[in-house]
Amino acid sequence: QQQVKQSPQSLIVQKGGISIINCAYENTAFDYFPWYQQFPGKGPALLIAIRPDVSEKKEGRFTISFNKSAKQFSLHIMDSQPGDSATYFCASTYYGQNFVFGPGTRLSVLP
Amino acid sequence: DVKVTQSSRYLVKRTGEKVFLECVQDMDHENMFWYRQDPGLGLRLIYFSYDVKMKEKGDIPEGYSVSREKKERFSLILESASTNQTSMYLCASSLLGTQETQYFGPGTRLLVL
Repeated sequence: QQQVKQSPQSLIVQKGGISIINCAYENTAFDYFPWYQQFPGKGPALLIAIRPDVSEKKEGRFTISFNKSAKQFSLHIMDSQPGDSATYFCASTYYGQNFVFGPGTRLSVLP
Repeated sequence: DVKVTQSSRYLVKRTGEKVFLECVQDMDHENMFWYRQDPGLGLRLIYFSYDVKMKEKGDIPEGYSVSREKKERFSLILESASTNQTSMYLCASSLLGTQETQYFGPGTRLLVL
């Protein structure tokens, strides 16, 4: 009930390509779905987040697509750049207290 | 911007030492969290606190304790450090309420020899 599944575990994309990372949750009580970006040796940084009453949110090259009925959401990185190479975590949260994180996806963008 | 700071970026300690990791947030957040992050294991919750002097065990509390005497400060204590506690420790904070998310500190990389 509390698990968040994330795929793929790792992803290699050419510069300029589209990176897609998928997550699935189980608990319908979750009310917020953030994505975090983490560079080696740093703490995770909030990248973008979506509410469950919205199907899509876009911020620059980053887009979250949300499918409430399927309990799935995904991160799309358009025009991927080598500087986007990092580990990405999806998360599901309830009331600012219960956070469940996916296992992470290591993205490598080749120049 | 929310700022979460951790007292040390790197620490080297010896087995059996008592270790204090401190975390401070400047946004009046009710909730504070301690995680450890290990390769292949993702983020694992050690303890969290939703108010001053309140604490709740997370998924892996064994060998750790916490202290929250002030709202902005949350300390993680390793009573007797062991080599299997070598890890990256991350502190985070969040507001209490719907559609709130966590903000992380930069992390403390702890090596126990």
